[in-house]
Order: sequence, then C-alpha cells, then structure tokens
Amino acid sequence: KNEVEQSPQNLTAQEGEFITINCSYSVGISALHWLQQHPGGGIVSLFMLSSGKKKHGRLIATINIQEKHSSLHITASHPRDSAVYICAVPPFGNEKLTFGTGTRLTIIP
Amino acid sequence: KAGVTQTPRYLIKTRGQQVTLSCSPISGHRSVSWYQQTPGQGLQFLFEYFSETQRNKGNFPGRFSGRQFSNSRSEMNVSTLELGDSALYLCASSVTGGNSPLHFGNGTRLTVT
Repeated sequence: KNEVEQSPQNLTAQEGEFITINCSYSVGISALHWLQQHPGGGIVSLFMLSSGKKKHGRLIATINIQEKHSSLHITASHPRDSAVYICAVPPFGNEKLTFGTGTRLTIIP
Repeated sequence: KAGVTQTPRYLIKTRGQQVTLSCSPISGHRSVSWYQQTPGQGLQFLFEYFSETQRNKGNFPGRFSGRQFSNSRSEMNVSTLELGDSALYLCASSVTGGNSPLHFGNGTRLTVT
C-alpha cells in the first residue's frame, strides 16, 4: 500500500521567512506532484518532478528518489502564499494518485 | 487555452437520488481523473480515464461510476446518494496521466441532505 506523509500539518510563519514542507512516500514512483489549494477549493499544480530540483519564482521543489522524500521550499514568503500544500504520487505503472494529508501554511504580514 | 471546466459548481441532492457531474478537459488532453475531497478523508482518487477506457479505479463502492467520451469529456455518476457522499469532487486532465502535469478544474461541491 502506498503511503504518503507530509510534515508539518500546520505551519504559521512571518512574512519573509523561508518555508520548508516535507513529503515522504513508501513505494517506488516515477514522479511526484506538488499542489496548492486555496480556500474555495481550486487546486493548482505547482510542480511535477521525477529527479533533482525544479524552481519557479520563489518556489523550489526537490526530490530524492532513493530516500523516497521530497521537499517544497518557499523563499521570501508572502501572505498570498497562505494555502494548503499537498504532495501526490502515482506508483510505478499506475495512474492512481495517492495524496498526502496536506500542510496548511499561514503567512502573517 | 481554456482550462478544465467542471459543471455544475454546486449541487444539492437528497439521499437516494443520483447525480451526474461533468468535466471538460483542456483541448488535447486525453486523460481525465476524478477525486473526492472531504474534511475527514482528504483527497482520494476515484478513477482515471484515458481515450475512453478506465485505466484505474480507487477504493469506492460501485455506486460511483464514470465514463469518457470520444472528445475526452468525462462524466461521473453517483447513484443512491448517501449523506457521506457530500464532498468536493474534482477532476483533472493531463496529456497522458499521473506522470504528466495535472490541470484541475474548480470542482463541484455536492451536498446530500
């Protein structure tokens, strides 16, 4: 059974702080997704990565396939970054995404 | 390019009724997947269709079904609604499936009374 764990579950930080959200999974995968969900429900795909590191603006995602671990970093955090961040993985040869429980991030001005 | 469109946005049904939700993917995307999100269980995979074929199914009862049409539009149906089916139902489209970037619709919020 594929299990996906995220930490922390909740994170409150001051504007400008560096943020790290972690995701660990239990089975072999070919890719990992980082998603962002704002109040109201809409989900935006931030990254899909299968190795190394990706950067988009102030967001950086890294993955270590051997250790089955990924991190999402936010530099110079801003109140508009406040959202729930979710990692999701499809196991090898399978389109059945398993989701982490999400990290609720609140950035205080 | 138009995004993923889900209709309706909100729906209120009573127990025992059935409901059909619709998802129009981004043009050129052949994979459509469906998810249920509840406060208690979080996001859960329902099923995924690719070129009109169901490739994967999550651990949901047979009351949950879906289909995909030749234009890649997809519908999901829930029969004999239960109170526990109240949830946000999201669909996502992608070019090939879970190993390609996903594009989510805004979801349909279903309330069963």
